Amino acid sequence: DADVTQTPRNRITKTGKRIMLECSQTKGHDRMYWYRQDPGLGLRLIYYSFDVKDINKGEISDGYSVSRQAQAKFSLSLESAIPNQTALYFCATSDLGYGNRGSEQFFGPGTRLTVL
Amino acid sequence: GEDVEQSLFLSVREGDSSVINCTYTDSSSTYLYWYKQEPGAGLQLLTYIFSNMDMKQDQRLTVLLNKKDKHLSLRIADTQTGDSAIYFCAESINDYKLSFGAGTTVTVRA
Repeated sequence: DADVTQTPRNRITKTGKRIMLECSQTKGHDRMYWYRQDPGLGLRLIYYSFDVKDINKGEISDGYSVSRQAQAKFSLSLESAIPNQTALYFCATSDLGYGNRGSEQFFGPGTRLTVL
Repeated sequence: GEDVEQSLFLSVREGDSSVINCTYTDSSSTYLYWYKQEPGAGLQLLTYIFSNMDMKQDQRLTVLLNKKDKHLSLRIADTQTGDSAIYFCAESINDYKLSFGAGTTVTVRA
């Protein structure tokens, strides 16, 4: 079974709709992240969470909100979707950086979201 | 600032070596990473290098780091069709934040 799972894998929605993307992990990591990937732009950080009570904005948080329901679950919401939020969204997890591995992040398979 | 740059495309013949280049701007980066993204999948860590090293070899992969020029490269020896993917360079800004390049799409042709 995958360590980091995302649901749904694909979603098409209309402008103005509320959308929730979910992420679950079985790695036991405290830290979780949401990124969006756009062609030619790489990955950009939307929100990150160090634990259930510690949630922080990333570089592009406008138009998004998150909820950390448990250590293993981190969901991303688009309150009122707009077409420029069409992208591939990734959830990732990490533990504390340690030894010579730094803070390796483990990624889910992604959710492809299309906003019409 | 945080800005990681890499070329967008690379085409290589099967059996040849691939070299993917990356430049970064944050001289305080502790670790530099190479991630691989296969079609329809998330990113998977390929290899990493600590900033006090200048080379790391792992089977067919060789990472070279030039701290003076802030240049990182990934060499894949004997490139196979399974190496076709998008490769992302990333630098660690601190112990949790990564700054990613735009990704290099590597196409392996027969």
